[in-house]
Amino acid sequence: DSGVTQTPKHLITATGQRVTLRCSPRSGDLSVYWYQQSLDQGLQFLIQYYNGEERAKGNILERFSAQQFPDLHSELNLSSLELGDSALYFCASSPGVGFSEKLFFGSGTQLSVL
Amino acid sequence: QQQVKQSPQSLIVQKGGISIINCAYENTAFDYFPWYQQFPGKGPALLIAIRPDVSEKKEGRFTISFNKSAKQFSLHIMDSQPGDSATYFCAALGGSNYKLTFGKGTLLTVNP
Repeated sequence: DSGVTQTPKHLITATGQRVTLRCSPRSGDLSVYWYQQSLDQGLQFLIQYYNGEERAKGNILERFSAQQFPDLHSELNLSSLELGDSALYFCASSPGVGFSEKLFFGSGTQLSVL
Repeated sequence: QQQVKQSPQSLIVQKGGISIINCAYENTAFDYFPWYQQFPGKGPALLIAIRPDVSEKKEGRFTISFNKSAKQFSLHIMDSQPGDSATYFCAALGGSNYKLTFGKGTLLTVNP
């Protein structure tokens, strides 16, 4: 068990809808990272937050947004969903401000857009 | 632009055999090269990592070989076991915005 908790485990929704994915990092970790995993693209970095502030951005679409709250949990909001957004979304955490070679991943949220 | 290229996409090995997964990178600004292991229904977990000033690192049955001049690194799993069946990702830390970039993954199946 990595100590990173993601909810829900599965999410089924329709095109055009909006969903929110939730992540609680390991106790003591201040950085939260969001990754998208698909068969054709592999693990793609979306965004990182450190102690409530956006730290780094990757291949995140404008329809997607994230935030980290004072209790350090994070939410990834996906709107105007398209079929191609169907993927496994992972949250990871680490103690420090910068990227570490050791990220602790949650078990992911499987999003299916129908 | 894929910064870390991983091959093969899938691999089938018999129990007791050697599994070899290869990765190549272009950006010389990468300064740490980890491998992650992912079991079905779980998130990736760090398996072993190497710095570019070392040519080889071994932890139990898992060995990373690193060739800095060729910008390639590989994971060797000796005496492969069915419990090693998982998806393996190579990764590189560094580059623009200093982040962890993953390869596309290799699905390893070890037959009993």
